[in-house]
Amino acid sequence: ELKVEQNPLFLSMQEGKNYTIYCNYSTTSDRLYWYRQDPGKSLESLFVLLSNGAVKQEGRLMASLDTKARLSTLHITAAVHDLSATYFCAVDERSNQGGKLIFGQGTELSVKP
Amino acid sequence: DVKVTQSSRYLVKRTGEKVFLECVQDMDHENMFWYRQDPGLGLRLIYFSYDVKMKEKGDIPEGYSVSREKKERFSLILESASTNQTSMYLCASSSYSVEQYFGPGTRLTVT
Repeated sequence: ELKVEQNPLFLSMQEGKNYTIYCNYSTTSDRLYWYRQDPGKSLESLFVLLSNGAVKQEGRLMASLDTKARLSTLHITAAVHDLSATYFCAVDERSNQGGKLIFGQGTELSVKP
Repeated sequence: DVKVTQSSRYLVKRTGEKVFLECVQDMDHENMFWYRQDPGLGLRLIYFSYDVKMKEKGDIPEGYSVSREKKERFSLILESASTNQTSMYLCASSSYSVEQYFGPGTRLTVT
């Protein structure tokens, strides 16, 4: 059974600081997704990582995937208040029907001035 | 742009009522999903469908059923709502093995 674990689950940061969110998963997969959720809102797709060594960057966020280590990271550079949200990673279970994702618990990020 | 819509943003129902949650997507996606989201538990898959009239149980199907009569529409049914089904319900759709697009969510309260 595929399990996905994120850490930390809660992260309080000061503006301008750097930090990394980790996403570990338990079985082989080469497709991983990062989503953002603002309070009371739905999930918004951030990054799609489709192969070992994939790296994607958007603004102050950078995501990477190491399929051998079964690890993805979401790195935050020089955090700003607008990045406050909950971040989820999700791994493609690679079922025959395709597209079934297993989500991590989410990391609630709070960026303070 | 992909659009996934859900019939209600907020819904209040009484225990024992039959509840229908509707989801419609406009991108001709094969796959559709229903999740519930609860604090501290993340997203949990209730049911998914990879084709019209096809359905598969997710991790927590008990107390729920689904219907997919048309490709663009996927309905979640609570046959007899209970208070432990109070939650945020999220619908998503995707093409094969690519990212899922989520609807705005329905916050259901069962009293």
